This record gives sequence, structure tokens and C-alpha cells, in this order.
Amino acid sequence: KNEVEQSPQNLTAQEGEFITINCSYSVGISALHWLQQHPGGGIVSLFMLSSGKKKHGRLIATINIQEKHSSLHITASHPRDSAVYICAVLTFNNQFYFGTGTSLTVIP
Amino acid sequence: NAGVTQTPKFQVLKTGQSMTLQCAQDMNHNSMYWYRQDPGMGLRLIYYSASEGTTDKGEVPNGYNVSRLNKREFSLRLESAAPSQTSVYFCASSERWYGYTFGSGTRLTVV
Repeated sequence: KNEVEQSPQNLTAQEGEFITINCSYSVGISALHWLQQHPGGGIVSLFMLSSGKKKHGRLIATINIQEKHSSLHITASHPRDSAVYICAVLTFNNQFYFGTGTSLTVIP
Repeated sequence: NAGVTQTPKFQVLKTGQSMTLQCAQDMNHNSMYWYRQDPGMGLRLIYYSASEGTTDKGEVPNGYNVSRLNKREFSLRLESAAPSQTSVYFCASSERWYGYTFGSGTRLTVV
């Protein structure tokens, strides 16, 4: 049983396409994070959300607390967006649960 | 630069050897974490420390011990390394509403 499910597991897109990565979770949360991991391993936190929507450049993250669902959107995708995107949720008792990640490849 | 510093970046151990992975953060975060990342399994929590002086087991604590030496430092010790502990280890720190920062990882191979 996985508390956090991401889809798709793998995604290939042409440069310029609009991309959506989905995250569903089954536990009560105080916050949700979207993380980015590039080849070579470093992990960067992109967003932390507890409600609504956040935007940073070409990245947009939304969360629906009632439906226990979050999406990460990338507009005008670029090859440098190629990475693994990980959804992580923080529960009210300070436990983190992670999705297994979505591997995105953007082809020029 | 502010952040989470992990050492070493790479390590090869023989089965049965011991070692300590070091982690330090300079962001004054209360919470610190150790994770392992294995192919197809995502990040799994080994131990975490919600604040200085406290540590708690995560999902996969067996074979590991931790020490929260002070607010800045959180070390992970393998007393008797096993091949099943071959993995990439990440340290992270967080402050509930102010983000979540990862170290650059330690790639450990146990032969």
C-alpha cells in the first residue's frame, strides 16, 4: 500500500508541449511538496502547498484538499525540464510520504 | 551558500565494516531526516529528528543508528554494513512552513 501515488510513471514530450503530472494521496496532510531530481541525483524542492495554486516561472502546482489530489504543470516544456518529479506529503504528525516519481524526458 | 551539506559523496565498504554519514544544515531548521533511495522504490525514511535531542524511527530503520548532535548536525551510522544497504542516502532538513532542503546525496556501495 502506497500512501502517495503518482501518474504517469514515465512521460516523454516534445519541446514546447504542456505537461501535467498527477499526485493522489490517501492520508491527511498539512502540506504537499513537489520535488525535482535531475540526473546526477540532486533533489530540489519546487513547491510547498497547503491549498490552492502556486506558480513559479513555467511551473504551476495545484492542490485539491477535498479530493486529495495535486497536479504539477509545466508550460512550454524544454529539454532542461527533463528530470524525475516527486510528490511528497507531510502529515499532521510530521511524517513524510513520497511518491515513486515521474520520469520526464523532453525531446528537442 | 546556505543549505544541507553531506559527506562523503561516495563510499565503498566491505560487508561488516562500519561508517558514519555526516549531515549539517545552516538554515536553523528544527527537523532533519535521513532517507535512502533505491531504484523503483522512491525515497524511504530511515530516521528523523523533529528537534534537537529527539530522534524517531522511520520506515526502514533496521541496521542504522542516528545521532542529533546539535541543531545543525544529524549523523547516520551503519554499525555492520550489509550489501542490502547499498543505496543512495539523502539527508534533508525542514521547517514546517518554510520549505524542505536536501543534501546532494551519498552513493554507498557495500561489497
